[in-house]
Amino acid sequence: EAGVAQSPRYKIIEKRQSVAFWCNPISGHATLYWYQQILGQGPKLLIQFQNNGVVDDSQLPKDRFSAERLKGVDSTLKIQPAKLEDSAVYLCASSLYGSRSRNTEAFFGQGTRLTVV
Amino acid sequence: GIQVEQSPPDLILQEGANSTLRCNFSDSVNNLQWFHQNPWGQLINLFYIPSGTKQNGRLSATTVATERYSLLYISSSQTTDSGVYFCAVANNAGNMLTFGGGTRLMVKP
Repeated sequence: EAGVAQSPRYKIIEKRQSVAFWCNPISGHATLYWYQQILGQGPKLLIQFQNNGVVDDSQLPKDRFSAERLKGVDSTLKIQPAKLEDSAVYLCASSLYGSRSRNTEAFFGQGTRLTVV
Repeated sequence: GIQVEQSPPDLILQEGANSTLRCNFSDSVNNLQWFHQNPWGQLINLFYIPSGTKQNGRLSATTVATERYSLLYISSSQTTDSGVYFCAVANNAGNMLTFGGGTRLMVKP
C-alpha cells in the first residue's frame, strides 16, 4: 500500500517569496492534516480536512497561509509571503477517519523541509 | 485544547539497556499514537493505542486512559533506536492530533 506522498522534499526561498507544497494522501483516507514542525519541537497542526471540508484551521496563520483540498483527495498548502520564521518541516498526514465519534490511526509523509533566507 | 507532556526530554542509553518513556495528557482521548522520528525526519508509526497494552518485538506500550498516561517500553536498545519519540493524542471533544514535545533518545554502542 502506497504511503502519504509529499513534494517537494526540500525548498529554499527568499523572504517575501511564495511557496506551495503538495500532498497525496493514502487512497481512501477521508482525513488529511498539515503540520508544521520547527526544529527541536513537536509537530503543530495547521489545518485538518475531512474530505474537502475544513474541520479545524484555528492555528493556521491565515494572513499568509492557505490550503485547499479539491475533490477531497490531493491537497496544497501555500505560503505567501514567506517570513524567516516559516523555516520548518511541513508534514502531511492522513487517516481513514478523524471525528469525535471515530478516530483512526494517522500516517505521515516524509515532509517538505523549507528554508527561508 | 488538550495538553501533552512527555518525559524525560532527553535520554542517553548504552546499547542493550532498557528504558521507559512516559506521556501524560490532560483530557480523555479516543486516539493515542507513538511515533519514532528518525534522523531523516520521517515519522514512523510505532503504536496506535488509545487504551490497553500492545507489543511489537522489543517495543511495547501501555495506555491507562482512566489515569491519562501512556508508557513506551524499549528493551535491549540498539543504536538504530536513536531519534525522537513522540506521543500524539486526540481528545473526545475534537479531532486534532496534538503532539507532545518528544523524548530525544541516544543509544551509544
